[in-house]
Amino acid sequence: GAGVSQSPSNKVTEKGKDVELRCDPISGHTALYWYRQSLGQGLEFLIYFQGNSAPDKSGLPSDRFSAERTGGSVSTLTIQRTQQEDSAVYLCASSPPNTDTQYFGPGTRLTVL
Amino acid sequence: SQQGEEDPQALSIQEGENATMNCSYKTSINNLQWYRQNSGRGLVHLILIRSNEREKHSGRLRVTLDTSKKSSSLLITASRAADTASYFCATSLSGGYNKLIFGAGTRLAVHP
Repeated sequence: GAGVSQSPSNKVTEKGKDVELRCDPISGHTALYWYRQSLGQGLEFLIYFQGNSAPDKSGLPSDRFSAERTGGSVSTLTIQRTQQEDSAVYLCASSPPNTDTQYFGPGTRLTVL
Repeated sequence: SQQGEEDPQALSIQEGENATMNCSYKTSINNLQWYRQNSGRGLVHLILIRSNEREKHSGRLRVTLDTSKKSSSLLITASRAADTASYFCATSLSGGYNKLIFGAGTRLAVHP
């Protein structure tokens, strides 16, 4: 079946611009996660959605970052007034109910010039 | 700060050799997972070991967990060039939901 998809695969933007990154989780998966990975580093947790519960935003690095999940499915991560340090690969993952395994999308590589 | 730390940071071996990667963590966990990442993009889940398990096998993979030492190891036997990738351990913390804390990874290079 279809896996987690993310779009765009690559995004180049200018400092100060806003960007939106999209994640389509696997159908039926109730949990959705966003991570950020800087070059050569591990994954940094950003935000977590579970069903209709309030999201855990504890990993968002600043108030320039926000995320929504509409209808319990598609999620959008928005970065306002991008900075060069925001350049990274942004990864989305989803999990089915009562499962600890996360299924990752291919990521969006964001480059802020 | 990251919960898991992998060791070594990089490993270079020949095809057919075994590769061992280690992971240490700091706090109590529900489970520990290993993921593989090719070319810096999406991660693929390899294996999950729960806190009450000590060893688990999956094909050429063997994972051990020592909760007293807060450490885990991933052994890849009879390595192949296709095993070249970065390998990450990730811990799911006790008392919480399934937010995973990832280490910085081990870069494995398997040479033909």
